[in-house]
Amino acid sequence: GDSVTQMEGPVTLSEEAFLTINCTYTATGYPSLFWYVQYPGEGLQLLLKATKADDKGSNKGFEATYRKETTSFHLEKGSVQVSDSAVYFCALSDDKIIFGKGTRLHILP
Amino acid sequence: KAGVTQTPRYLIKTRGQQVTLSCSPISGHRSVSWYQQTPGQGLQFLFEYFSETQRNKGNFPGRFSGRQFSNSRSEMNVSTLELGDSALYLCASSLAGALDYGYTFGSGTRLTVV
Repeated sequence: GDSVTQMEGPVTLSEEAFLTINCTYTATGYPSLFWYVQYPGEGLQLLLKATKADDKGSNKGFEATYRKETTSFHLEKGSVQVSDSAVYFCALSDDKIIFGKGTRLHILP
Repeated sequence: KAGVTQTPRYLIKTRGQQVTLSCSPISGHRSVSWYQQTPGQGLQFLFEYFSETQRNKGNFPGRFSGRQFSNSRSEMNVSTLELGDSALYLCASSLAGALDYGYTFGSGTRLTVV
């Protein structure tokens, strides 16, 4: 079945560092791809999405490009802030949304 | 615009009991999905309801059930609770057929089984 694999955390960076969280997927069709973020004690929030190959999703300085040839959707941000500390989930749409295991990000001031 | 509301936020139950969790979706959203989140397994899909009908179901035992009302509010029920049912249960709503646009999640119900 369809699945999502993302890099294990935790990832610890200093403020203003460059962030990459890797995500690859396996799918039989052409799913939409998502990144969600979960802050402590809260549900998941949609961060960005891409619905077809070569689409770039972006929001709040985060970006990810739908790469069909490498089946990847890596999350990047040029300069992280302490407030970006959270758990990030890569996901794809099948007949439901399938999530990766999540990557905990910790930003040091 | 009100978000997805889940009640209660926290629950403590004893093994063998049953529990009912509630989810009120965003107004106009007809699809409600439920997920179980645990540290070991991550987010696992339980089921989806659309217009009062179960449209999709994950790989959970029959002790887990749900329903949706005509106003799109949904409930999930877990009978004969086990310690392993301790988890954060998340509800998500979406417009009909809106998988391209993602879900809006509630804050979840934290269930602890003792």
